[in-house]
Amino acid sequence: DVKVTQSSRYLVKRTGEKVFLECVQDMDHENMFWYRQDPGLGLRLIYFSYDVKMKEKGDIPEGYSVSREKKERFSLILESASTNQTSMYLCASGTGETDTQYFGPGTRLTVL
Amino acid sequence: AQKVTQAQTEISVVEKEDVTLDCVYETRDTTYYLFWYKQPPSGELVFLIRRNSFDEQNEISGRYSWNFQKSTSSFNFTITASQVVDSAVYFCALSDRNTDKLIFGTGTRLQVFP
Repeated sequence: DVKVTQSSRYLVKRTGEKVFLECVQDMDHENMFWYRQDPGLGLRLIYFSYDVKMKEKGDIPEGYSVSREKKERFSLILESASTNQTSMYLCASGTGETDTQYFGPGTRLTVL
Repeated sequence: AQKVTQAQTEISVVEKEDVTLDCVYETRDTTYYLFWYKQPPSGELVFLIRRNSFDEQNEISGRYSWNFQKSTSSFNFTITASQVVDSAVYFCALSDRNTDKLIFGTGTRLQVFP
């Protein structure tokens, strides 16, 4: 079974803090994705990566950056957290062969 | 532009009823994949099914069945004899073969009452 894990299920941070959300997959997938999910707005793609050291902007990259130093790990970074970044963050991994994405359990981030 | 429409925002049924979740898509690609995902209250999106655009055979898996019709650009999902555990938000998605990204619909919240 594909396993995608995220470092925290729940996280509470203060405005201005630097926040790291970690995602690890165990299926040797080339592609990894970060989404945020908000009520009424659905799933929105923040960043994605096709390979190590590669990153591509998604639909809403502002205020975020990413890091992919190893194939299995894809980190989302909030350089200076703001209250409007309070959201559910979902990580996914997948292959380009079938475009199937497998999701982690999600991190509910609250920025106070 | 590619688009996925799930017109039903919320559906409520009583246990044992059959329910169909609608999904209509738009794409100019000749090759693509369609997906259904389930998101229970815990929050994780669970992959249910992938369908290749060249395969219009309907698929059945237990109480779940999927009806793919290219002529109407639809990929509907039916749950037979619904159960309380089926309560979740269900997302339909379309692949963008050029970028490996998925285009998601806005989801349909299904509530199954005992």
